[in-house]
Amino acid sequence: SQELEQSPQSLIVQEGKNLTINCTSSKTLYGLYWYKQKYGEGLIFLMMLQKGGEEKSHEKITAKLDEKKQQSSLHITASQPSHAGIYLCGAYSSNTGKLIFGQGTTLQVKP
Amino acid sequence: DTAVSQTPKYLVTQMGNDKSIKCEQNLGHDTMYWYKQDSKKFLKIMFSYNNKELIINETVPNRFSPKSPDKAHLNLHINSLELGDSAVYFCASSQTVTGNTIYFGEGSWLTVV
Repeated sequence: SQELEQSPQSLIVQEGKNLTINCTSSKTLYGLYWYKQKYGEGLIFLMMLQKGGEEKSHEKITAKLDEKKQQSSLHITASQPSHAGIYLCGAYSSNTGKLIFGQGTTLQVKP
Repeated sequence: DTAVSQTPKYLVTQMGNDKSIKCEQNLGHDTMYWYKQDSKKFLKIMFSYNNKELIINETVPNRFSPKSPDKAHLNLHINSLELGDSAVYFCASSQTVTGNTIYFGEGSWLTVV
C-alpha cells in the first residue's frame, strides 16, 4: 500500500530563518496536497501539486513536486511565528483511491 | 461563512457514554468524510459517504456509526465510549469521491475520562 513519509518530524527555527519540509511517497503521486494545522483549528488547505516539476507559491510558502512525482518539498522563506503549526502532506492512494496523509511535521518558530 | 462546520468543538465525557458529533458542509459537495487524528497527530480516514451512500468504511469498531441524512450532513455517533476513543475527529468534504481537494472542518476534541 502507498505510504507518505514526512521529514523532519519536528522542527524549531529562529524567526527569519528559512526551512524545508519533505514528503516522500512509496509510489508515484497523482496529486499531492499540503495542509497546515494550528492548535485548536482545523486543517487549512495550502496547495495542490499534480505535474512533475510543478512549483506553487503562496506568500512565503513554496511547494514543489519532483520530476519523478515521488517527493514533494515545502519551503518557507523568512519564517514568522504565524507559520508555526503542523504541516501535513496528503495524496490519493493509487490502489485505494483514499486520501492518505503523512505523519505530519510540527514547526515551532521562536521570536 | 464556515464551509465545513462541526459541533461540538470540545467534548469531555465519561467512559460508557454515547455521544454524537454533527457535521455540515455548505460547499455543495457530494462526498463527506470522517477522519480521526490520534495523539501522535496521525490522520486516518474512518468513513466516507457519497450522496448519502457509505463508500468507505475502514476498520473501525461498530460502536462508531455514521449517519448521513442528506449530502450536506454527516454525523458521527459513538456508543459505549472507551478511553482509547479520545482523539480529534475531523469532518471533511470534497466535490467527488476521489481526485479533488478535501476541505476540513475545525475538528472536535473528544476526551473520554
